[in-house]
Amino acid sequence: DAGVTQSPTHLIKTRGQQVTLRCSPKSGHDTVSWYQQALGQGPQFIFQYYEEEERQRGNFPDRFSGHQFPNYSSELNVNALLLGDSALYLCASSYTGMTTFFGQGTRLTVV
Amino acid sequence: EDKVVQSPLSLVVHEGDTVTLNCSYEVTNFRSLLWYKQEKKAPTFLFMLTSSGIEKKSGRLSSILDKKELSSILNITATQTGDSAIYLCAVVDNAGNMLTFGGGTRLMVKP
Repeated sequence: DAGVTQSPTHLIKTRGQQVTLRCSPKSGHDTVSWYQQALGQGPQFIFQYYEEEERQRGNFPDRFSGHQFPNYSSELNVNALLLGDSALYLCASSYTGMTTFFGQGTRLTVV
Repeated sequence: EDKVVQSPLSLVVHEGDTVTLNCSYEVTNFRSLLWYKQEKKAPTFLFMLTSSGIEKKSGRLSSILDKKELSSILNITATQTGDSAIYLCAVVDNAGNMLTFGGGTRLMVKP
């Protein structure tokens, strides 16, 4: 059983560009959440998707948007990249509030 | 706003030592507290605690929740170099939609 899978693993972008990160949840999971983890800090909640709708959103600007597909996979889009967006982006999946499992993350570097 | 504080920020011990990591929280409508181990990228699930005073145990690791004191501890006995990692504590509210993380405790176990 594959766990939570994310792609790509690493990414380098230039300020002002746009980026799309992808996530496939663990088999049987219907809820996908995205977290941003800056160096030396704990993960910060970006938003959560359930039944293809954004269910809750953290304190992140509108430059951060997402989508969930009918197969429960998800994308995180970030527009107009800033240097401060450099971080590890973690996708997490769960089934109706049960234990949350994390993917390996995408390391985004903005230069 | 929910808040989680972990202490100490970092810890250096020698193999065979016992360590205790602390987590305190402020959350509206507490549902559960989770511990994760993060070695490189993906936080891996350790424990989920919902009831006060009931110890969860897995090998050399154990954890307990104190709802009166709004805190939890994670104990690791007979530490090994493989225990070196960042240990993250997170809380979930009754809506169950997001994890609020602490900043983590960085543990280094020396041979």
